[in-house]
This record gives sequence, C-alpha cells and structure tokens, in this order.
Amino acid sequence: AQSVTQLGSHVSVSEGALVLLRCNYSSSVPPYLFWYVQYPNQGLQLLLKYTTGATLVKGINGFEAEFKKSETSFHLTKPSAHMSDAAEYFCAVSSNDYKLSFGAGTTVTVRA
Amino acid sequence: GAGVSQSPSNKVTEKGKDVELRCDPISGHTALYWYRQSLGQGLEFLIYFQGNSAPDKSGLPSDRFSAERTGGSVSTLTIQRTQQEDSAVYLCASSGEYNEQFFGPGTRLTVL
Repeated sequence: AQSVTQLGSHVSVSEGALVLLRCNYSSSVPPYLFWYVQYPNQGLQLLLKYTTGATLVKGINGFEAEFKKSETSFHLTKPSAHMSDAAEYFCAVSSNDYKLSFGAGTTVTVRA
Repeated sequence: GAGVSQSPSNKVTEKGKDVELRCDPISGHTALYWYRQSLGQGLEFLIYFQGNSAPDKSGLPSDRFSAERTGGSVSTLTIQRTQQEDSAVYLCASSGEYNEQFFGPGTRLTVL
C-alpha cells in the first residue's frame, strides 16, 4: 500500500520567489512518483514523473523535483514563481500496480 | 482529438435519477481509469480497465456505481439512484507506458 502526505494545504509566494511544495510518500516497493497540476475547472495535467534513473527530474513550466529515497520525499520546486503558476498541485505515488494514490493537494497563490 | 475527452462537462440531476458519464481515452492507450474528486474526500480511485482483463472495481463506493468499457476504448460510468453525496467531479484518465496517466477535463455532477 502507498500513501502520500503533502505538507501545507495552501502556499502563498511572491512573484519571482522560490516555489517549494513538499511531498512525502510511503511505499513498500520502489515507487513511481508524479506531480500533477490542476487549474480551476480543468482536469489534471502531468508536470513531471520519476520512474527510475536520475533522481532530479525536470518537468514542464520550469518545475523540477528530486527523489530522495532516504527521506521518502519528492518535493517540487520552481526557482521563480509566475502569476500563471497559481493552481492546485497534487503529488501522487504508484507502485508496481496501476492505482495512483494522491495527496490532498496544495493550493498555490502568487502575489504580485 | 489528442487528449482524453469526457462528456457531459456538467450534469445536474435530481436525487434518485440515474446518470451516465462518458470517457473517450487517448487512442492506443490500453488502460483507462475513473477517479472522483470531491471536497471532502480529495481524489479517489474508482475503477481501472486494462485491455481485456477483468476490471479492478475495488474503488467503487457502492453497488449503485458501475462502469463498462466497450471495444477496449470508450468507457461509461453509471450511477444509479443518485444521492447528494455523489456530487463531485468525475475524472477519467488513460495511460500507456509507466502508468503515466493523462486526465480528461472531468464531468461535474451535481445531485439536487
């Protein structure tokens, strides 16, 4: 069984500031890890994923995440926030089966 | 189109009525998933189809919920005798390699 914990249901950042969204997971097998973004009234869009190999994963829109096995973490970062980054972000984990287990989500607001 | 499509985008129904929600996956994707997104429960897995295998229905919340996938492509999620707690956004996803799930825009169901 897997589970995901996203620390902080709401994050507010200034435009141009670092965005850091925290995700910790538990999994009994090597996980596949994902970050999705959801804009208002839209479905989920894949930002990036980790399966195997390089632990620093780069995604779309300037986001990246690092898989740290020792910390069971997969935190999402972006060096400089843009107004268009305002959305809800979901971390998800999947083992060697097919179900995604999602975190509760983190809503990001960007202050001008 | 290139993405997952769902219809209708919005559905308002009266308590006790049956509803059908439709999903058209990405062409060539063999796996199809239904999720439910609600304020109280977050994102929940409902059901999974993979090729011609028996579907995994372990996430369906009650026997009022059922789903089928015809010809390995289009899927229909049916909710019988709808209740107010069924109000949610129902998301469909399809996947190919590495369980990278691509989501549709969702159907927002409101039960009055």
